[in-house]
Amino acid sequence: DTAVSQTPKYLVTQMGNDKSIKCEQNLGHDTMYWYKQDSKKFLKIMFSYNNKELIINETVPNRFSPKSPDKAHLNLHINSLELGDSAVYFCASSQELSLGYTFGSGTRLTVV
Amino acid sequence: AQSVAQPEDQVNVAEGNPLTVKCTYSVSGNPYLFWYVQYPNRGLQFLLKYITGDNLVKGSYGFEAEFNKSQTSFHLKKPSALVSDSALYFCAVTLRGSARQLTFGSGTQLTVLP
Repeated sequence: DTAVSQTPKYLVTQMGNDKSIKCEQNLGHDTMYWYKQDSKKFLKIMFSYNNKELIINETVPNRFSPKSPDKAHLNLHINSLELGDSAVYFCASSQELSLGYTFGSGTRLTVV
Repeated sequence: AQSVAQPEDQVNVAEGNPLTVKCTYSVSGNPYLFWYVQYPNRGLQFLLKYITGDNLVKGSYGFEAEFNKSQTSFHLKKPSALVSDSALYFCAVTLRGSARQLTFGSGTQLTVLP
């Protein structure tokens, strides 16, 4: 029973398309995150929601829009995809920071 | 602001030898510190953490890390490396009490040679 699950695992799409990545956690955590891992493996936070409220919104193009319908779900919608959006996107959840994060297995997005 | 430095992009060690992966941090207060491991095409898995108390913390798979406040370091160690330890290792920090996220280092690729 996967704790943090992301779908899809792989996503290949053309430039200019709009796509969504979904994340669900069954841990009962209050906070969820989206991180982007670039080709050099660097992890950069994008967004965070606490109990459906946006609490972190880093400098990310406004083509990226998170949505949290409830505290167990945090989806990422990307408009007008660009080549530079190609990366691995990780969802994570946390109950409190002293306990760290639980990560999903990632979504590898390739824009062609 | 909080930040983490992992000064080595790559660490190579022979199987059976001890390994060390270095991490230094910067926070304006007391830290929570973490190590995560990422295997190819997988998510990050928790290894161990320092919250408070004993400076030497033990984690999964025989790994341990030592918190050194004066040197602001949290190096990951293992007495005897296994080929299966080969992976990408991330150190992370957050500020106790007031931060909203973990900040990750740039990662260190550990290769254990048979």
